[in-house]
Amino acid sequence: AQTVTQSQPEMSVQEAETVTLSCTYDTSESNYYLFWYKQPPSRQMILVIRQEAYKQQNATENRFSVNFQKAAKSFSLKISDSQLGDTAMYFCAFMKLSQFYFGTGTSLTVIP
Amino acid sequence: SQTIHQWPATLVQPVGSPLSLECTVEGTSNPNLYWYRQAAGRGLQLLFYSVGIGQISSEVPQNLSASRPQDRQFILSSKKLLLSDSGFYLCAGQAGELYEQYFGPGTRLTVT
Repeated sequence: AQTVTQSQPEMSVQEAETVTLSCTYDTSESNYYLFWYKQPPSRQMILVIRQEAYKQQNATENRFSVNFQKAAKSFSLKISDSQLGDTAMYFCAFMKLSQFYFGTGTSLTVIP
Repeated sequence: SQTIHQWPATLVQPVGSPLSLECTVEGTSNPNLYWYRQAAGRGLQLLFYSVGIGQISSEVPQNLSASRPQDRQFILSSKKLLLSDSGFYLCAGQAGELYEQYFGPGTRLTVT
């Protein structure tokens, strides 16, 4: 079975600064998908960004970008120009053939 | 894109009472559907997933069951609730095996 590890239970960042959330995974698969989800206090899960493992180029979505290191099985999320609305739990997820595996989450607090 | 509807948003039920949580999907056909449970401040625990009408896979032996009577309807049930069934229940859908999951707003269940 695949495992997803988020080693930072809690993090904080000053507003307008940059923060990086870590995620590692363990798999023997070569083709798969990776995602970052955000869960604000409302508890609605929101997709932040996705990465296809066959693509070498790192995905970006506005202020959100990833550093995907396939050989190292690492998938970190960088949030630039942090905003108060970025305060949330962030979950890393691995997907292969409709099977999803989630990490335990990182609670991010943006400090004004 | 698909939209996941869940109801009720909040539910308080006594121990031993039945449960029925409903999830419907809009904007796609033949989705893969999932039920997750999330304890406060914790990660997601997959309970059930379904790849089609009447096709249910259970991930965790428990007091709960799931059914999929229609293509875009997924129901989580229990005949007799336990205190340990309290939690936040999320329904998710996936449009196809190459796609991300989209989540409903969740149901907060308190068993008293």
